[in-house]
Amino acid sequence: AIQMTQSPSSLSASVGDRVTITCRASQGIRNDLGWYQQKPGKAPKLLIYAASSLQSGVPSRFSGSGSGTDFTLTISGLQPEDFATYYCLQDYNYPRTFGQGTKVEIK
Amino acid sequence: EVQLVESGGGLVQPGGSLRLSCAASGFTFNNYWMTWVRQAPGKGLEWVANIKRDGSQRHYVDSVEGRFTISRDSAKNSLYLQMNSLRAEDTAVYYCARDSSPLSGSGSYYDAFDMWGQGTMVTVSS
Repeated sequence: AIQMTQSPSSLSASVGDRVTITCRASQGIRNDLGWYQQKPGKAPKLLIYAASSLQSGVPSRFSGSGSGTDFTLTISGLQPEDFATYYCLQDYNYPRTFGQGTKVEIK
Repeated sequence: EVQLVESGGGLVQPGGSLRLSCAASGFTFNNYWMTWVRQAPGKGLEWVANIKRDGSQRHYVDSVEGRFTISRDSAKNSLYLQMNSLRAEDTAVYYCARDSSPLSGSGSYYDAFDMWGQGTMVTVSS
């Protein structure tokens, strides 16, 4: 199975900060990658699919980039509601695999 | 209302069985691949299985292959996960999710889990 490694595992940031989360695949996955946000006790929410396509209704401060093995989720201007855990998910092959998550906390 | 509602979770002994259900409403269920994702307490997300729109294709994570069966009933707009030979490590919140499967430029599809249920807790313990 493809391993997805996110970094960092956690970070502290302030409202208004620019935040970058990276996800590295153990092999090339083209742009077959999504990003999900999860808040405590809630179901995940789709942010980005196909590495850089913004899901409808998701604020434009979220953006994704990358192809092959290295991917990035950027939050430009962190908002209070963005404090959550973020996961990448590869859909290049089966079984699908998530990264271990990145927890974004308030500084 | 457009929603997914899971049910069927609970406490079961190791080696036991449980059947999870996911009732879909407010959209054309047959148009979507469906997926199960689980999350052990305090842990990250784990993709478990998915099923094609017509049920003709199913895929599983290795750890549940041969023990879990994903299925769907178009007449009932429902997704199921039959879980047999349960182990302590299967303890988790189980989510069903709808895959909007956006088309790629090459003609294949991406995964995009755009709708999720609230989750149902499965606890495997003696």
